[in-house]
Amino acid sequence: DAKTTQPNSMESNEEEPVHLPCNHSTISGTDYIHWYRQLPSQGPEYVIHGLTSNVNNRMASLAIAEDRKSSTLILHRATLRDAAVYYCILGGSGNTGKLIFGQGTTLQVKP
Amino acid sequence: GAVVSQHPSWVICKSGTSVKIECRSLDFQATTMFWYRQFPKQSLMLMATSNEGSKATYEQGVEKDKFLINHASLTLSTLTVTSAHPEDSSFYICSASGLAIEKIFGPGTRLTVL
Repeated sequence: DAKTTQPNSMESNEEEPVHLPCNHSTISGTDYIHWYRQLPSQGPEYVIHGLTSNVNNRMASLAIAEDRKSSTLILHRATLRDAAVYYCILGGSGNTGKLIFGQGTTLQVKP
Repeated sequence: GAVVSQHPSWVICKSGTSVKIECRSLDFQATTMFWYRQFPKQSLMLMATSNEGSKATYEQGVEKDKFLINHASLTLSTLTVTSAHPEDSSFYICSASGLAIEKIFGPGTRLTVL
């Protein structure tokens, strides 16, 4: 499984944008980039995924580098409820593909 | 949206007993379900992948005779921790795949073995 590298922790102020980076230099051509987040004592929650093009949904945006060796999850206006551990995971396109979690980035949001 | 439930949400048991955890997809059929466990302040560790009607595939280092997984229907998978010991105390989380690419995770089950 291709590996991702994320900063251990980041801080943000409430209502400001947050850019969470992820490096995946060994990504293969068929790997999707998935982002999940986990609040304390809860199961992970799907955030967004993409393959080559930038993606937007109601929760966040995903910016993917042209060479696909890195990506950035963008929260446009952080709220206190966005404080969580964010995981960047590479996986195949099939819905049966397993997700292997790394250590993720712990995001703190300050009021 | 798609929801996955787990039961129980927490359980305390005595050492040596077996505990069963259920994972249900509530409004979709899950061809594949995944079981994870998570120790405090650590990331999720994939234990096994189960497909409906077939034997589970366990990750390296996970004892299949200790962690019994049954995926008897498209909406239910169970994980049984047999002869549980204090070191099995953990947060167990399942996830399910429907037709969409994203995985839906359950809320987790906190197991404490005394």
